[in-house]
Amino acid sequence: EVQLVESGGGLVQPGGSLRLSCAASGFTFKSYWMSWVRQAPGKGLESVANIKHDGSDRNYVDSVKGRFTISRDNAKNSVYLQMDSLRAEDTAIYYCARYSSSSGWIDPWGQGTLVTVSS
Amino acid sequence: DIQMTQSPSSVSASVGDRVTITCRASQGISSWLDWYQQKPGKAPKLLIYEASKLQSGVPSRFSGSGSGTDFTLTISSLQPEDFATYYCQQADSFPLTFGGGTKVEIK
Repeated sequence: EVQLVESGGGLVQPGGSLRLSCAASGFTFKSYWMSWVRQAPGKGLESVANIKHDGSDRNYVDSVKGRFTISRDNAKNSVYLQMDSLRAEDTAIYYCARYSSSSGWIDPWGQGTLVTVSS
Repeated sequence: DIQMTQSPSSVSASVGDRVTITCRASQGISSWLDWYQQKPGKAPKLLIYEASKLQSGVPSRFSGSGSGTDFTLTISSLQPEDFATYYCQQADSFPLTFGGGTKVEIK
């Protein structure tokens, strides 16, 4: 069974940092792009960052460029999201997901981890 | 960035009804369009990819159509478990972008 489990969310003050982790199992992790997608409370979905199978290509939504860094460790079947200079508007559930570059779908999604930025 | 516009934002329907949700892209995206279902407190679930291909395990009452800028998700006969929010997503270019969502509610 393909499974993605996120961890690392929590409460952080504005300007602070947080590192999210996502552990993958049940598929050949090193063959897939991986994504982080977020959902603010009561709002829609926003793709935050994506990383190629070997880490050689990464991309970000404009609102997090220069503040967030996506990375991966294929030996540990894990993907990470380092979030710095956090703002109140970064408050959201962050989902880790597998992305198919050939078909464009995002599937499956992890259960999500809540990040709250507040003083 | 490619903007995705869904309509309606909500729809009230009864069990057995046919429901149609539309999604429009701000520029042509060929067939690079996916649909997701999200229930309260749960992660989104992939229903349709490449505009019309049914994801494995998804009931055949769900179907997708369209290409270019205009797309449709149809539920042929609404079931109780289909009450949820539905999102379209373009996969033509980064950043991947989603529509605002359509909430399907019980009439």
